[in-house]
Amino acid sequence: DTGVSQNPRHKITKRGQNVTFRCDPISEHNRLYWYRQTLGQGPEFLTYFQNEAQLEKSRLLSDRFSAERPKGSFSTLEIQRTEQGDSAMYLCASSPTSGGARNEQFFGPGTRLTVL
Amino acid sequence: GQNIDQPTEMTATEGAIVQINCTYQTSGFNGLFWYQQHAGEAPTFLSYNVLDGLEEKGRFSSFLSRSKGYSYLLLKELQMKDSASYLCAVRVHSGNTPLVFGKGTRLSVIA
Repeated sequence: DTGVSQNPRHKITKRGQNVTFRCDPISEHNRLYWYRQTLGQGPEFLTYFQNEAQLEKSRLLSDRFSAERPKGSFSTLEIQRTEQGDSAMYLCASSPTSGGARNEQFFGPGTRLTVL
Repeated sequence: GQNIDQPTEMTATEGAIVQINCTYQTSGFNGLFWYQQHAGEAPTFLSYNVLDGLEEKGRFSSFLSRSKGYSYLLLKELQMKDSASYLCAVRVHSGNTPLVFGKGTRLSVIA
């Protein structure tokens, strides 16, 4: 197992376009989290899943953002009608709900979005 | 609201010891985490404290005082590769729920 993977690693798009990012968590990890990080800031929580159920969405997550985890494995984050303010690093993390690592969140390398 | 404060930048010398402080005011508390993040990379887990006291792991130690809303990360025998951002994060709710992060402390290790 090679850890959490995210695709694409970089995305440049024009304002108004839709973009979709994918996250593949560590296998057997029930929980999957999406965070957003801008330069000089810590990650900010967006949403998270337990298996396929979306448990919570941050108030930061406008109606233009939607996330899914249809089979309880990989997840997608879609941003519709992108705005320049959406430019950020989008980080995915996963964690188990039992076992010795249950208190950790393992982060992927992130998808860097630039909206022109 | 949730508030987590840590210094923006610190500089320390190779081989020395550095202490990075973090204070928090959150609506709940279920653990404090420290992550290391090199520029352009993902955060990596360093430590977790849920009870008061010191947790030591090699060159890294983390301390927690819940009554003071205070933690620090201590790095010993600094190496150039320790130059990175160090993120303090609080888990506000029980279970493995989302973390609230501070803005991070950018540490520069100089020769």
